Amino acid sequence: GENVEQHPSTLSVQEGDSAVIKCTYSDSASNYFPWYKQELGKGPQLIIDIRSNVGEKKDQRIAVTLNKTAKHFSLHITETQPEDSAVYFCAASKDNQGGKLIFGQGTELSVKP
Amino acid sequence: DAGITQSPRYKITETGRQVTLMCHQTWSHSYMFWYRQDLGHGLRLIYYSAAADITDKGEVPDGYVVSRSKTENFPLTLESATRSQTSVYFCASSVNRNTEAFFGQGTRLTVV
Repeated sequence: GENVEQHPSTLSVQEGDSAVIKCTYSDSASNYFPWYKQELGKGPQLIIDIRSNVGEKKDQRIAVTLNKTAKHFSLHITETQPEDSAVYFCAASKDNQGGKLIFGQGTELSVKP
Repeated sequence: DAGITQSPRYKITETGRQVTLMCHQTWSHSYMFWYRQDLGHGLRLIYYSAAADITDKGEVPDGYVVSRSKTENFPLTLESATRSQTSVYFCASSVNRNTEAFFGQGTRLTVV
């Protein structure tokens, strides 16, 4: 079955710096790749997603890139702010399914003011 | 707009007891999902449902039972709780098969 590996497990950056989180997936049939942000005591919230017919997608300070050949995708956060501190999860699914997801292990991002 | 709500938020139960976690959504979403979250594993899909009376297994279904008699409710039952089922459980829903999933606030379950 599908396996999603996420790195790093923890990431600490200074406010204003960029943060990059990387994920690799094993099943070449996967074609939907969402990123979720989870704040303490809350459920995951979708922040950006990408489908396999697109190589890059941007939304203000957040961008996601997808390399289908290498089977990896990355989350880029520019100009980080303290409120970006949270746990971030990548995920993958087949058949463009929005909710039947295989998640990575998570990255705890800490943005120091 | 209540969205998706889970109850209870916290639950402590004893090994061998039956416990039911509730999930209710007000959006009339077709799809609903149950995930468990454990350190080092991210979130893993337990069961999902495409519509009322249609359910299917996810990645880790053993020890769990679900039902969906109404579109808005998707309860998860642990028929005989074990310590390995100590976890945070998240319910989610999506409009249809191909749209994003929205997650509830979670239920922290401890089995002692």
